Amino acid sequence: DADVTQTPRNRITKTGKRIMLECSQTKGHDRMYWYRQDPGLGLRLIYYSFDVKDINKGEISDGYSVSRQAQAKFSLSLESAIPNQTALYFCATSSSIGTGSNGYTFGSGTRLTVV
Amino acid sequence: QKEVEQDPGPLSVPEGAIVSLNCTYSNSAFQYFMWYRQYSRKGPELLMYTYSSGNKEDGRFTAQVDKSSKYISLFIRDSQPSDSATYLCAMSGHSGGSNYKLTFGKGTLLTVNP
Repeated sequence: DADVTQTPRNRITKTGKRIMLECSQTKGHDRMYWYRQDPGLGLRLIYYSFDVKDINKGEISDGYSVSRQAQAKFSLSLESAIPNQTALYFCATSSSIGTGSNGYTFGSGTRLTVV
Repeated sequence: QKEVEQDPGPLSVPEGAIVSLNCTYSNSAFQYFMWYRQYSRKGPELLMYTYSSGNKEDGRFTAQVDKSSKYISLFIRDSQPSDSATYLCAMSGHSGGSNYKLTFGKGTLLTVNP
């Protein structure tokens, strides 16, 4: 099994619908992140969480919300999806322990299309 | 000015070529520098990690950091078709360690032709 699992892998939804993207990890990492990736714009941070009780907005949090249900689970919700939220979404994890040379571990991504 | 600038390419080279990928940055607090490789339809994976200035070599890959110029590079020797991917630079500077909110470049798409 993958260290960081994202579900679903692909999703097509209609404008105005609520949708949840889920992320679970077996790395034992305390920190988790949600990014979106768009052509020409790179990876942009949506939300991040340094532990279960710590949630922080990233650079593009408008229109999104998150929930850290457990150390291993971090979900991203689009309350009312709009077409410009069509993107590739990545969950990532990292550990606050050690030198950090292991960097972030990313999931395989969720390709979301809002029509 | 963006904190991290990276030429998106695309870059196309013949098999066996030496590839040079670069990023510049503006935040002098950055101390931790990484290169990620992302294959199509996959998540990025850590390729190289460097702390502060200097060089680091791992097989065919060499990472260089020049903090005085705020410039980092990744060299790939004897490039292979399997090296075809998007390469993203990433960096951070929080005193708490390298895992504090990495700032990513936009990525450079590399194709190595057989």
